[in-house]
Amino acid sequence: GAGVSQTPSNKVTEKGKYVELRCDPISGHTALYWYRQSLGQGPEFLIYFQGTGAADDSGLPNDRFFAVRPEGSVSTLKIQRTERGDSAVYLCASSLTSRGTSGRADTGELFFGEGSRLTVL
Amino acid sequence: DAKTTQPTSMDCAEGRAANLPCNHSTISGNEYVYWYRQIHSQGPQYIIHGLKNNETNEMASLIITEDRKSSTLILPHATLRDTAVYYCIVRPRSQGTYKYIFGTGTRLKVLA
Repeated sequence: GAGVSQTPSNKVTEKGKYVELRCDPISGHTALYWYRQSLGQGPEFLIYFQGTGAADDSGLPNDRFFAVRPEGSVSTLKIQRTERGDSAVYLCASSLTSRGTSGRADTGELFFGEGSRLTVL
Repeated sequence: DAKTTQPTSMDCAEGRAANLPCNHSTISGNEYVYWYRQIHSQGPQYIIHGLKNNETNEMASLIITEDRKSSTLILPHATLRDTAVYYCIVRPRSQGTYKYIFGTGTRLKVLA
């Protein structure tokens, strides 16, 4: 498919377990974002990659959360020692460009996946 | 980062124009206004964006006040499929980062 793909779509785990969520961005998109969305809330920023490096990880709530993008394409969000409060929909987005340009070329549009719903029992 | 304020919810009759307001009184000169919407159980979808001029595309129109402190998203002929949460976002541009900060948005319900 041409869109952002996220797997698994649903994940149920027990408190204390380790979880990995995968994001496959649109081909050629250099920027990749992770967001977390709780029920009734807007998406909450977690981390943003430009290429392979994390350009901004200020939204990661604590050191149990970690994300990688080793080859500048697929990204994995890793959550250690999961807690019930980690239950949410984890959204991934990608964009064609992340650097500002003057004028009309800068669209800044993010393309989101359908999300991975994580439930921690 | 500039913050936005939106009404929690709105209703609109099918076929009528839906006008969704957004206040962003602390916006700075190089910050854009973006609108996204999120239909139930899907990821957010881009609608439109603007800097200071009004913008129109196939989905909607964006009207930005002259002082840039507020804007209105207009869906000219709302359909039932437009029922969604609409997010108004001011995009910060700091060191090339496009970090979007979403609020809680406006839940638009289009009524038959």
